[in-house]
Amino acid sequence: EPEVTQTPSHQVTQMGQEVILRCVPISNHLYFYWYRQILGQKVEFLVSFYNNEISEKSEIFDDQFSVERPDGSNFTLKIRSTKLEDSAMYFCASTPRDRNQPQHFGDGTRLSIL
Amino acid sequence: AQSVTQLDSQVPVFEEAPVELRCNYSSSVSVYLFWYVQYPNQGLQLLLKYLSGSTLVKGINGFEAEFNKSQTSFHLRKPSVHISDTAEYFCAVRVSGNTPLVFGKGTRLSVIA
Repeated sequence: EPEVTQTPSHQVTQMGQEVILRCVPISNHLYFYWYRQILGQKVEFLVSFYNNEISEKSEIFDDQFSVERPDGSNFTLKIRSTKLEDSAMYFCASTPRDRNQPQHFGDGTRLSIL
Repeated sequence: AQSVTQLDSQVPVFEEAPVELRCNYSSSVSVYLFWYVQYPNQGLQLLLKYLSGSTLVKGINGFEAEFNKSQTSFHLRKPSVHISDTAEYFCAVRVSGNTPLVFGKGTRLSVIA
């Protein structure tokens, strides 16, 4: 079964540095999402992306964050200047043309800010 | 806006016993309902979904859930659990179309031998 793949599985970064998290959604999917899960807390929505633009974003997704689909296969989340509180598990998800189908999640990237 | 409440943060249960994980939601419009499971160090895997139709939905690994509109609940059940069911279980809702999922805080199911 096709999968959403995320790299790296674990990223350690110094505070203030930029980080890029990468995702390869399922190939025929059209809608893409990023969520995060701070340790011990619930999974929270960050941003959704369709047709090469952001379709919705949460309050968490401030100017430090950006998303891009640079080459038609990868879907990236960039954090420009990381803070300690950005430490979390970041999940990528995608859905097919039928938007009512469930979102398929990757295994996540654990981001640790030192 | 939608919200999800998972009343139990942890549920210990003996192997081969039945289990019910509770989920209640609030929404002013019709919602789609999901249960996801997260095994240690892994991502979120879809267990089952309710989009429309029969209110009793069956998922993978022997789990099922019942949508109760009057009680705004979507409790997850399994008649006999295995050690391998030990994981975190998340209830989630969304409205139709390309809208984000709203998750509950999760319930950690621990199956004891």
